[in-house]
Amino acid sequence: GENVEQHPSTLSVQEGDSAVIKCTYSDSASNYFPWYKQELGKRPQLIIDIRSNVGEKKDQRIAVTLNKTAKHFSLHITETQPEDSAVYFCAASMVGNEKLTFGTGTRLTIIP
Amino acid sequence: GAVVSQHPSRVICKSGTSVKIECRSLDFQATTMFWYRQFPKQSLMLMATSNEGSKATYEQGVEKDKFLINHASLTLSTLTVTSAHPEDSSFYICSARGLAGGASSYNEQFFGPGTRLTVL
Repeated sequence: GENVEQHPSTLSVQEGDSAVIKCTYSDSASNYFPWYKQELGKRPQLIIDIRSNVGEKKDQRIAVTLNKTAKHFSLHITETQPEDSAVYFCAASMVGNEKLTFGTGTRLTIIP
Repeated sequence: GAVVSQHPSRVICKSGTSVKIECRSLDFQATTMFWYRQFPKQSLMLMATSNEGSKATYEQGVEKDKFLINHASLTLSTLTVTSAHPEDSSFYICSARGLAGGASSYNEQFFGPGTRLTVL
């Protein structure tokens, strides 16, 4: 089955700086890669996703890059703000196989 | 659109009792629903996948007789934790998948707010 690794497990960034979280996956058939933000005690919320037919996607301060050859994808948050503090999870799945396999999570802390 | 509700949000029960958790898609038809559990400071672990009108598919290591899943309609799935024990205490989260308005792709799952189960 799919295995998704995520690092770092914790990340502290000065407000206004950029944050990068990286994930690798094992199954080359995976082709859908969402990123979720989860605040304490709340539901995961999709912040951005990418499919394997594109290498990069951007939405305002958030971007995701995908390297299919290397089987890794990354989340980039620019101009970080205190409200970006949360736990971020990457995930992977295949079209036709509905299951999401989640990474282990990254606790991001933005230092004011 | 794409709202998923879960009930109850918190439940405390005695060891040996059964607890039912409901997951509803409020504004779209969920062809598939997923049940996850999440221990403190850990990731979401998929327990089972359920499709409306058919038996749930359980992940390896998840006891199907202990975690009963029913997906009776396109908007409702239930998870019953039978004979709960303290080690079952966790945050249970459902998600629903279907072509909801605003969905970025058919793969997108919409998560419920979670149910915190505490077994004494």
